[in-house]
Amino acid sequence: NAGVTQTPKFRILKIGQSMTLQCAQDMNHNYMYWYRQDPGMGLKLIYYSVGAGITDKGEVPNGYNVSRSTTEDFPLRLELAAPSQTSVYFCASSPQGRNTEAFFGQGTRLTVV
Amino acid sequence: AQSVTQLDSHVSVSEGTPVLLRCNYSSSYSPSLFWYVQHPNKGLQLLLKYTSAATLVKGINGFEAEFKKSETSFHLTKPSAHMSDAAEYFCVVSEQSWTGGYNKLIFGAGTRLAVHP
Repeated sequence: NAGVTQTPKFRILKIGQSMTLQCAQDMNHNYMYWYRQDPGMGLKLIYYSVGAGITDKGEVPNGYNVSRSTTEDFPLRLELAAPSQTSVYFCASSPQGRNTEAFFGQGTRLTVV
Repeated sequence: AQSVTQLDSHVSVSEGTPVLLRCNYSSSYSPSLFWYVQHPNKGLQLLLKYTSAATLVKGINGFEAEFKKSETSFHLTKPSAHMSDAAEYFCVVSEQSWTGGYNKLIFGAGTRLAVHP
């Protein structure tokens, strides 16, 4: 049982480049999330999805886009990378229902230079 | 507004001594509370969760936490630290967003636990 799988694990981007962070889960969870983790700041929600075809902004959505064409996949797109987007990105999923716990991927460490 | 405050950014203990990681929360509703652990260069793993059943919650690896509503606290403890416990620990409050329909997770800033031999 793979759980939540993120690719790549590491990436270095130049300012202005674009990339897509991949996230897939095999637990048939309806809810999926993207977080970024900055040192000493905990995790901040970028985007979330409550099911295929439904996405919405979290706390820090600027500079990112998402799509959810299937239950399993929830890619995060950076269109014009900026140094402020240097961070560790975590994808998570959770079952539908009140106050269920989230399951996290291993993270993607992104550096924008 | 919901918030989570982890009172110590760093905690250092000797192996075999007790661990106490402190967490206070603010919530308008009856929340669910979680502790997650993150080992270096790894994802987040659930340690334990409180969902309004027993106030003393037991988790994995000998950790437990007590929900105290009067103090709005959810401190994490372990009687005897092990070297493998060295990691970052996050206290998280969860409330269902009635407008968005998703489970809103509010993270504390984290506490880094160091365990010395």
